[in-house]
Amino acid sequence: EPEVTQTPSHQVTQMGQEVILRCVPISNHLYFYWYRQILGQKVEFLVSFYNNEISEKSEIFDDQFSVERPDGSNFTLKIRSTKLEDSAMYFCASSESQGAREKLFFGSGTQLSVL
Amino acid sequence: GESVGLHLPTLSVQEGDNSIINCAYSNSASDYFIWYKQESGKGPQFIIDIRSNMDKRQGQRVTVLLNKTVKHLSLQIAATQPGDSAVYFCAENDSSYKLIFGSGTRLLVRP
Repeated sequence: EPEVTQTPSHQVTQMGQEVILRCVPISNHLYFYWYRQILGQKVEFLVSFYNNEISEKSEIFDDQFSVERPDGSNFTLKIRSTKLEDSAMYFCASSESQGAREKLFFGSGTQLSVL
Repeated sequence: GESVGLHLPTLSVQEGDNSIINCAYSNSASDYFIWYKQESGKGPQFIIDIRSNMDKRQGQRVTVLLNKTVKHLSLQIAATQPGDSAVYFCAENDSSYKLIFGSGTRLLVRP
């Protein structure tokens, strides 16, 4: 089965530093998402992206966050100035059509630790 | 069931028995529901979905039941196997782009 791949699997950074989390969605998918999961808590929606623009974002996704699809295969999440509370597992997901109504494929996640 | 913070409710079942995992959702406007399975170190994996015009849907060894009156969703796993051990999340959608996930239930399968 095709899969969403994420790199790196673990990222450790100092508070205030910028991080970029990378994702390669499934090749024929058109809708892309970032979710995050703080240890032991719910999976939370961050942002959805379609046709090179954000289609929806949550309150978590403030000005410190941005997403980009720099080429035909990658989808990135940037956190400009990380805070301790940004520590979480970040999941990328993609879907073939408007995804929350269809099957979302999730990557294995990037564990971000902010020190 | 639902949980708060770090304490996931846990369902422990004997291998071969049936499992029932429950979920309460909150948004009356939600009309699409999904169950995900999350194994340790992995992302959520789609199991089965159901739309609000149905009250039951069956897959391979899994059945989802939807009771819109009480805003309740359940996942039934038949003949539970060790490979079913994971955290199970329900998720809901109200035609927006986002899924709202529940808190999760840990399923432990005893050999």
